[in-house]
Amino acid sequence: DIRMTQSPASLSASLGETVNIECLASEDIYSDLAWYQQKPGKSPQLLIYNANSLQNGVPSRFSGSGSGTQYSLKINSLQSEDVATYFCQQYNNYPFTFGSGTKLEIK
Amino acid sequence: QVQLKESGPGLVQPSQTLSLTCTVSGFSLTSYSVHWVRQHSGKSLEWMGRMWSDGDTSYNSAFTSRLSISRDTSKSQVFLKMNSLQTEDTGTYYCARNRYGYSYFDYWGQGVMVTVSS
Repeated sequence: DIRMTQSPASLSASLGETVNIECLASEDIYSDLAWYQQKPGKSPQLLIYNANSLQNGVPSRFSGSGSGTQYSLKINSLQSEDVATYFCQQYNNYPFTFGSGTKLEIK
Repeated sequence: QVQLKESGPGLVQPSQTLSLTCTVSGFSLTSYSVHWVRQHSGKSLEWMGRMWSDGDTSYNSAFTSRLSISRDTSKSQVFLKMNSLQTEDTGTYYCARNRYGYSYFDYWGQGVMVTVSS
């Protein structure tokens, strides 16, 4: 199975700041990577797919980058509604696997 | 609009079988795959398996021996059956649709919480 190592596990930042979340795959996943946002008590919502494509309706302050085994999610101008847990997911190989999540809080 | 909704018992006894239903609307099961993903309380997500649009199935080998996914296209429903449940199977079970031609999930159900306990 492809292991997705996500960091940091938790993150506290101020409103308006920029934050970065990283995901490291145990092998090359050829940009078959998605990012999801999960707010408390809700189901995950797709933010980014194919490593850097923004899902319709997602604010442009969210962006994804990376290739090979290293990927990142960047959130510019942090807003209060961005408080959530973020997960990466690889879909290059079965079984599809997720990172362990990054819990983002406002400082 | 696209919707998925899980239903099933909230409490299952250890060693028993879990049966869940995912009822979809706004798209056809013969055009899109539907997946099952579970989440232990507050923790990460685990892909369990999928029902392909052509009726074929794929499973996570971690569940292969006790997991079965089926469907009824006339009712727009996908079913999950998993036997020999243990307490570690407690969690929230989601069904999700993948974007056409890809295997990331563009729509998710609200999830159903399942507790395995006597």
